[in-house]
Amino acid sequence: EAGVTQFPSHSVIEKGQTVTLRCDPISGHDNLYWYRRVMGKEIKFLLHFVKESKQDESGMPNNRFLAERTGGTYSTLKVQPAELEDSGVYFCASSQDRAPRSHEQFFGPGTRLTVL
Amino acid sequence: AQSVTQLGSHVSVSEGALVLLRCNYSSSVPPYLFWYVQYPNQGLQLLLKYTSAATLVKGINGFEAEFKKSETSFHLTKPSAHMSDAAEYFCAVSDLKDSSYKLIFGSGTRLLVRP
Repeated sequence: EAGVTQFPSHSVIEKGQTVTLRCDPISGHDNLYWYRRVMGKEIKFLLHFVKESKQDESGMPNNRFLAERTGGTYSTLKVQPAELEDSGVYFCASSQDRAPRSHEQFFGPGTRLTVL
Repeated sequence: AQSVTQLGSHVSVSEGALVLLRCNYSSSVPPYLFWYVQYPNQGLQLLLKYTSAATLVKGINGFEAEFKKSETSFHLTKPSAHMSDAAEYFCAVSDLKDSSYKLIFGSGTRLLVRP
């Protein structure tokens, strides 16, 4: 079974440009999460989808970030326009079940974004 | 608000020595607690989790962690370090009142294993 995949693995862009990150969750996983790790700091939650609906977007830093999950399958995270402080590693995770005892999030390898 | 503190951004041990990575949490409700590991160029992998059953939790690769409510701690241990254990380790907490079960992470501890 394929794990969570993310594309691209690395992206280097200039300030003011637009970047779109993609996440493909494990097949059948309704829950999809985005997290971000800014260099040297903790991994922080950005948002959570259940199928195509945004369940919790309390971690989105500002309106330059737009996440979508069309059809409840893959998800994209667009940053427009990118700023220097957006640099970091963006992780995607998916889970099948939100029941507490069985809940486990499976993480992708991350996309390293560098804004120059 | 929930939070996690990992003491020590870097821990160095000799191969064969005890591994102890510290994690303290803050939570207003009984938490679910997790340890994840990230090997170079890979995603985070779940090592173990505490979900209010046994307080001593055994995970993969010989790791275990003990939930101590009185100390609000969930330290990760392994009796004998292997070179392959070198990685970054993250402690995380999840709030059962939060319908999204999002994870709140500590800042991570990088484990170095000396030959």
